[in-house]
Amino acid sequence: QKEVEQNSGPLSVPEGAIASLNCTYSDRVSQSFFWYRQYSGKSPELIMSIYSNGDKEDGRFTAQLNKASQYVSLLIRDSQPSDSATYLCAVNAPRGAQKLVFGQGTRLTINP
Amino acid sequence: GAGVSQTPSNKVTEKGKYVELRCDPISGHTALYWYRQSLGQGPEFLIYFQGTGAADDSGLPNDRFFAVRPEGSVSTLKIQRTERGDSAVYLCASSLMDGAYNEQFFGPGTRLTVL
Repeated sequence: QKEVEQNSGPLSVPEGAIASLNCTYSDRVSQSFFWYRQYSGKSPELIMSIYSNGDKEDGRFTAQLNKASQYVSLLIRDSQPSDSATYLCAVNAPRGAQKLVFGQGTRLTINP
Repeated sequence: GAGVSQTPSNKVTEKGKYVELRCDPISGHTALYWYRQSLGQGPEFLIYFQGTGAADDSGLPNDRFFAVRPEGSVSTLKIQRTERGDSAVYLCASSLMDGAYNEQFFGPGTRLTVL
């Protein structure tokens, strides 16, 4: 079982709709969770971080964390073509380590 | 302010050669990380520095890979006797390391191609 799993997609969403991206992780003691956006040929850009169960909103983005289910998600409201990118879920390795463990990413396409 | 910078942006080398990749972190960030990303995959951790010392080098694939950060700022990733399988984008990230909020910010990466 991979430590961090994401559906690789591609996920296709019409412009203006809500895009929902999901991620599960295997280590129950993980504490910090991040979403990165990566445009083709570019490096990952941090867009959301979440540390507590529940929802965290920032503009059109909402991160949701459920530690009991070991599940983290990212919602993008009012999707725009400029949101088309690969979204990477990352989990801070537990037990004092500081490295991030990434999923393979979900490719999202917003159709005008 | 300035973000993480990496040089060169592209490096093409021949199998068996030695390469050095450089990373300049965000000013004031004490933690520095190297990752490697292959096509279609998420970044994979290589090594983490806290200050000048390598706090975790568990991701280095073998002893051909080595990294230094002599003054606690700029870091160099060194690869000896390069192999075709080393071809990837090498990413550097830095963070403030303020408690649990280990938000890491990435540089633009160095694309390494080993012919």
